[in-house]
Amino acid sequence: TQTVSQSDAHVTVFEGDSVELRCNYSYGGSIYLSWYIQHHGHGLQFLLKYYSGNPVVQGVNGFEAEFSKSDSSFHLRKASVHWSDSAVYFCAVSANTGNYKYVFGAGTRLKVIA
Amino acid sequence: EAAVTQSPRNKVTVTGGNVTLSCRQTNSHNYMYWYRQDTGHGLRLIHYSYGAGNLQIGDVPDGYKATRTTQEDFFLLLELASPSQTSLYFCASNPGQGTQAPLFGEGTRLSVL
Repeated sequence: TQTVSQSDAHVTVFEGDSVELRCNYSYGGSIYLSWYIQHHGHGLQFLLKYYSGNPVVQGVNGFEAEFSKSDSSFHLRKASVHWSDSAVYFCAVSANTGNYKYVFGAGTRLKVIA
Repeated sequence: EAAVTQSPRNKVTVTGGNVTLSCRQTNSHNYMYWYRQDTGHGLRLIHYSYGAGNLQIGDVPDGYKATRTTQEDFFLLLELASPSQTSLYFCASNPGQGTQAPLFGEGTRLSVL
């Protein structure tokens, strides 16, 4: 079965800084990986996904993520954050077995100080 | 526009009460999911379904029933609600083909007193 770990519960940066939010997974086979953002009081919004091909994927609003099979990771990055990026970020994995079961990490709360 | 609609948005009940949370998707998606969100745990999968009449057990199913009555509608039932089920509940849908990630509703906040 697949599992997801987001090692940082909280990350605080200043506006204009770069940020990396970490996601590690465990599963031996082919998987789908995705990142979501949750602003306070709202549902989860899709940011980006990876299944195959170029390990660096671009998402909305300047976010990108890089897949590493050797590290079992799918870290999310942004070169210059804005205060509006303050939110909770979730990493999700789904094993490519046809059951479309998505497992989420515990989330990382990003606080951007203006 | 693709949408997942949950109702009610907020619900308060008492211990032992009977609660039904509703979810409707208008995306013609095959898969629908119920998650609960708790601090420190992220989203945990309760039940999911790949079509009308189908039910798959998730990772935290105890105390919950679910029923998929149509392609569009997926219900979560708490027949004897307990304070431990106080949580934020999310419904999501997914086409179940290709690589599209799930689309989420806005959530239902449930308090069991």
